[in-house]
Amino acid sequence: DIQMTQSPSSLSASVGDRVTITCRASQSISSNLNWYQQKSGKAPNLLIYAASSLQSGVPSRFSGSGSGTDFTLTISSLQPEDFATYYCQQTYSTPITFGQGTRLEIK
Amino acid sequence: QITLKESGPTLVKPTQTLTLTCTFSGFSLSTSGVGVAWIRQPPGKALEWLALIYWDDDKRYSPSLKSRLTITKDTSKNQVVLTMTNMDPVDTATYYCARRRSGSGWHNWFDPWGQGTLVTVSS
Repeated sequence: DIQMTQSPSSLSASVGDRVTITCRASQSISSNLNWYQQKSGKAPNLLIYAASSLQSGVPSRFSGSGSGTDFTLTISSLQPEDFATYYCQQTYSTPITFGQGTRLEIK
Repeated sequence: QITLKESGPTLVKPTQTLTLTCTFSGFSLSTSGVGVAWIRQPPGKALEWLALIYWDDDKRYSPSLKSRLTITKDTSKNQVVLTMTNMDPVDTATYYCARRRSGSGWHNWFDPWGQGTLVTVSS
């Protein structure tokens, strides 16, 4: 199985901050990496697919980069609605695996 | 508009079999590249992929749960059914279904997701 490790596990930031979340795969997954946002009590919502493609309707302050084993999700200027938990997911091979999540909290 | 909705029991007893149905609209599971996945999330914990069924009826399962899972589809009803045998309290979780989309190359992702259904395993 491909293990996905996110860092940090939690993060406190302020509105307007630039935030970066990292996801590392235990082996190369090319660019088969997706990012999801999950707000409390809600289903996950796709933000970024194929490592760097912005899902339709997602604000442009979200961006993704990386390939191989190292990936990042960046929020250029945090907005109040961005405080949530973020998950990376590899779909390079089954079993499909998710990172453990990064909880983004208000400072 | 694409929607998916999970349905099934909210409470099951240990050792019982859980049957969940994902009813979807706005896409066809006979379209090449399309699939439907099941994912679960124990309270306060991370997402865990369970199973995936493809448009061509190919199926994939989580190795750790493979012996307990069965995924099937009814294309005419726009439904995907997941059964999980021998339920245990550690299986208490919110269960989601999601559409699997594919893009260029081997890229694929889950979008959208259903609202999820909380299943509690308790005697």
